[in-house]
Amino acid sequence: GEDVEQSLFLSVREGDSSVINCTYTDSSSTYLYWYKQEPGAGLQLLTYIFSNMDMKQDQRLTVLLNKKDKHLSLRIADTQTGDSAIYFCAEGSNDYKLSFGAGTTVTVRA
Amino acid sequence: EAQVTQNPRYLITVTGKKLTVTCSQNMNHEYMSWYRQDPGLGLRQIYYSMNVEVTDKGDVPEGYKVSRKEKRNFPLILESPSPNQTSLYFCASSPGIGGNTEAFFGQGTRLTVV
Repeated sequence: GEDVEQSLFLSVREGDSSVINCTYTDSSSTYLYWYKQEPGAGLQLLTYIFSNMDMKQDQRLTVLLNKKDKHLSLRIADTQTGDSAIYFCAEGSNDYKLSFGAGTTVTVRA
Repeated sequence: EAQVTQNPRYLITVTGKKLTVTCSQNMNHEYMSWYRQDPGLGLRQIYYSMNVEVTDKGDVPEGYKVSRKEKRNFPLILESPSPNQTSLYFCASSPGIGGNTEAFFGQGTRLTVV
């Protein structure tokens, strides 16, 4: 099956930028997603990018996609304590399946 | 309020005792799926359904069953639970897959099999 990998932990100081990286193996991926999971809650879609795009910006969030290297990143500008959560990278294709990475736990320290 | 509702939120059961985790969505979504979340493994898809009476296996279907008799409900059935099915389970629904179709997740069901 598809393989999505991301680092497990990231610690960042409040006010700094966070960058979460993800790699995937399925070259037929059509859509790539970032989900956020807060403690005790389900996942919420943060943003997504089509595979024919290089970059997408949405307020404090910037998604970069390098399709050649199959590398996706999520940058959070001006990281706040409310950004502490687990962030999942996911890729989807046209067969109605989403494949998730293991999740990156982001800890924001004062 | 648009939501996906799972029940129960927490369940402790014994090996071999059949159980059902219910999932219901009120958004008239066609696509529903079940995932399990384990530390270091992220979310793995168990089963999915593209519409009523249409279900298919995900990546880790062994030991699980599902049914989709109505559009809104997608129960997950463990006929004979085993300790390796101790996990956090999520149900999700979406109007389709991909692009700006957002997947909505339930709050999760934490299952412990002893």
